[in-house]
Amino acid sequence: DGGITQSPKYLFRKEGQNVTLSCEQNLNHDAMYWYRQDPGQGLRLIYYSQIVNDFQKGDIAEGYSVSREKKESFPLTVTSAQKNPTAFYLCASAGFYTEAFFGQGTRLTVV
Amino acid sequence: AQKITQTQPGMFVQEKEAVTLDCTYDTSDPSYGLFWYKQPSSGEMIFLIYQGSYDQQNATEGRYSLNFQKARKSANLVISASQLGDSAMYFCAMREGGRGSTLGRLYFGRGTQLTVWP
Repeated sequence: DGGITQSPKYLFRKEGQNVTLSCEQNLNHDAMYWYRQDPGQGLRLIYYSQIVNDFQKGDIAEGYSVSREKKESFPLTVTSAQKNPTAFYLCASAGFYTEAFFGQGTRLTVV
Repeated sequence: AQKITQTQPGMFVQEKEAVTLDCTYDTSDPSYGLFWYKQPSSGEMIFLIYQGSYDQQNATEGRYSLNFQKARKSANLVISASQLGDSAMYFCAMREGGRGSTLGRLYFGRGTQLTVWP
């Protein structure tokens, strides 16, 4: 079955630690996105990529990094520079004029 | 300027009634797509309906329809015969699609929390 998979579902990070959230899709989609959602809030764009080896900053890229070495994969690293990383992170992919498909999300908590 | 505006933070509707969730958008690109998503408390994003900027007819998917008024730049979601399970957050989104292979950013509104009561 085609789809988009995020892992892990829950992640705990210690202060000063980098963590990487995984996002994999087998839909052959060109575009991939990372969003952050805080409680009761909308989705804010962190990074997006329209093609392999290329990506653009979204509205809240500071403290995050991404890579797009393969079409199927778009991992997000939350660095220690991100001072308030506790949030729900959603990854999505889209083909040309298809809807965006979302993963199940990762809940990141700083401990 | 906001690309997507949802002015209703919360809406309440009685079961079996229809409800309209508002969405306006801002773009100068003649080619774009509009989307509505539902997010229940579990957090998953469920795609509901899509409208392309060149589509002549309003999109419909079961109990969902999109009231597309291009000149007003509005794309309101209409849910007919509301059900208790419709209680969720609803997001309007837009992607600008230029010519060629550019897929463009995907913009989301702040969402509308819909509560359906018996």
